[in-house]
Amino acid sequence: ETGVTQTPRHLVMGMTNKKSLKCEQHLGHNAMYWYKQSAKKPLELMFVYSLEERVENNSVPSRFSPECPNSSHLFLHLHTLQPEDSALYLCASSHLTGTQSSYEQYFGPGTRLTVT
Amino acid sequence: GQQLNQSPQSMFIQEGEDVSMNCTSSSIFNTWLWYKQDPGEGPVLLIALYKAGELTSNGRLTAQFGITRKDSFLNISASIPSDVGIYFCAGQPTSSGSARQLTFGSGTQLTVLP
Repeated sequence: ETGVTQTPRHLVMGMTNKKSLKCEQHLGHNAMYWYKQSAKKPLELMFVYSLEERVENNSVPSRFSPECPNSSHLFLHLHTLQPEDSALYLCASSHLTGTQSSYEQYFGPGTRLTVT
Repeated sequence: GQQLNQSPQSMFIQEGEDVSMNCTSSSIFNTWLWYKQDPGEGPVLLIALYKAGELTSNGRLTAQFGITRKDSFLNISASIPSDVGIYFCAGQPTSSGSARQLTFGSGTQLTVLP
């Protein structure tokens, strides 16, 4: 596997379910991100992990719970979601250094989430 | 927060034509990035720009970092069917204390007609 992978690619869940999204990066990066992409809206940054510590949390509801066990893996745990949470959830990674390349984020293919 | 105005929102062009799109901001940006997203996939990085006035090419794609540092342009020459997709600009404003925060435009949906 190369790049950034995400599983599952598609997920349908009820509002009372608990599920998890998984992201894995094979680029040797040390920062990872969760984004939400809704139709006709800019990407919304949800969480940032740097060296496995959460460094950004952009006012995301507590029904979304991230976990970063190591620099290659990132999870997003979901529980009691609402229909408006239906969206494409994208994971990204980057280097975390002072170099220019730290601005370049590389994305996975996303998980298309539908909440019924 | 920071906002990027990306235009046009959508474009319909004939195969072989050139394409231009742009992003503008009211704030100064340190970095501009251009991504392409195909249906059902994540955004793929096309070009990264780091200096005002910088002009960078990637095949038939050329992007420029505006002199004012408040805008960026992407041009696609001699479009082909596989250019279809959504093109996003992204940037890191100077006011951001974190190299990790990018601001994204809303995207330009490009359709190439045969």
